[in-house]
Amino acid sequence: AQKVTQAQTEISVVEKEDVTLDCVYETRDTTYYLFWYKQPPSGELVFLIRRNSFDEQNEISGRYSWNFQKSTSSFNFTITASQVVDSAVYFCALSEARWDYKLSFGAGTTVTVRA
Amino acid sequence: EAGVTQFPSHSVIEKGQTVTLRCDPISGHDNLYWYRRVMGKEIKFLLHFVKESKQDESGMPNNRFLAERTGGTYSTLKVQPAELEDSGVYFCASSQRQALQETQYFGPGTRLLVL
Repeated sequence: AQKVTQAQTEISVVEKEDVTLDCVYETRDTTYYLFWYKQPPSGELVFLIRRNSFDEQNEISGRYSWNFQKSTSSFNFTITASQVVDSAVYFCALSEARWDYKLSFGAGTTVTVRA
Repeated sequence: EAGVTQFPSHSVIEKGQTVTLRCDPISGHDNLYWYRRVMGKEIKFLLHFVKESKQDESGMPNNRFLAERTGGTYSTLKVQPAELEDSGVYFCASSQRQALQETQYFGPGTRLLVL
């Protein structure tokens, strides 16, 4: 069964538009972590954020913000005022205590920001 | 501080040949992970080392794959003999200490193409 679902395969926006990436997860653990990674065209996976299951506070870092809602098992990611450099594949991932915290990834969302 | 490095960045081999991928984790990181992304699919866990010991190899596809981490430093992943379905991007990640919930930092990946 899919543990992490990223329903959007591709999103294309024009620069300065906001873009929200959806992530829905499934777990029976009470202790778990959620992550977002960015994969730019150069290929490496860049860590963006880690959030534990006991902290539902939303977080903002510059133009990036994350909305964690346990009630809907979602951990959505918004890029405000998108820029061309934001073009990348974005992966949401889950790590659970019962599986020794190895990462389960979603399929990724490809974001293309056009100038 | 140097990040996770992987070598080679690309490898093109013929079916039946052998390929060895190398990963150098971040210095001092005890945990080392291998993941793989087959074309268009999710990034999937392969195995996890704690220092030189295999903690979890439940994701290894079959016995054509052999991973080692001699001395608890760098790791190698050998595929012998390679098959067409082994094509994909192989990522290595490392995390600090024995606390498994620590953030995993990824390398740039090795793109393997089996013809």
